[in-house]
Amino acid sequence: GNSVTQMEGPVTLSEEAFLTINCTYTATGYPSLFWYVQYPGEGLQLLLKATKADDKGSNKGFEATYRKETTSFHLEKGSVQVSDSAVYFCALSVYRANNLFFGTGTRLTVIP
Amino acid sequence: DADVTQTPRNRITKTGKRIMLECSQTKGHDRMYWYRQDPGLGLRLIYYSFDVKDINKGEISDGYSVSRQAQAKFSLSLESAIPNQTALYFCATSDLGYGQSNEQFFGPGTRLTVL
Repeated sequence: GNSVTQMEGPVTLSEEAFLTINCTYTATGYPSLFWYVQYPGEGLQLLLKATKADDKGSNKGFEATYRKETTSFHLEKGSVQVSDSAVYFCALSVYRANNLFFGTGTRLTVIP
Repeated sequence: DADVTQTPRNRITKTGKRIMLECSQTKGHDRMYWYRQDPGLGLRLIYYSFDVKDINKGEISDGYSVSRQAQAKFSLSLESAIPNQTALYFCATSDLGYGQSNEQFFGPGTRLTVL
């Protein structure tokens, strides 16, 4: 089936620290992969995406590379800021899928 | 203005009451979705609609119904609310494209509490 497993939180980092949030997946087809971010009190926003193997999605200093060999799409940022505090969701869709398959979310708190 | 709006943003109701959550979008998308978010469970699909005449059950449709009144409007109803329907509800939209990517655009959410 289709599913996403992501690193459980919460994650607490100091400002300017390096961030990695792990995400692995299983898929019945060739998935597209997404990272969504949910800031406090808001809905989900697309952070970045990758639609084929070896693609790298990037946005706002965040990056994730679609690794077919390890079925992974880990989220990284070299230097986090307090404003990055949010819940991060890894998700996938497969061709003509009816919906996105979400991971359980990872809460990140960045302290000054 | 927000592309996907949800009303109400917060609602407290009692067990057994009927409640409707509304979603409107200005993105011109054909596909609309209702999800619920529970702590530790991520988002789960309740219902989805590919156009006004097409309604489909998702992973957890029991206890819910929907209405697609127009391309831009998709409502979720709880006919008789129960406490375990307390959750954060999201509406989302996407294009009716046949490409591989199914990028979805989310509303701000409705926090529902059933006492």
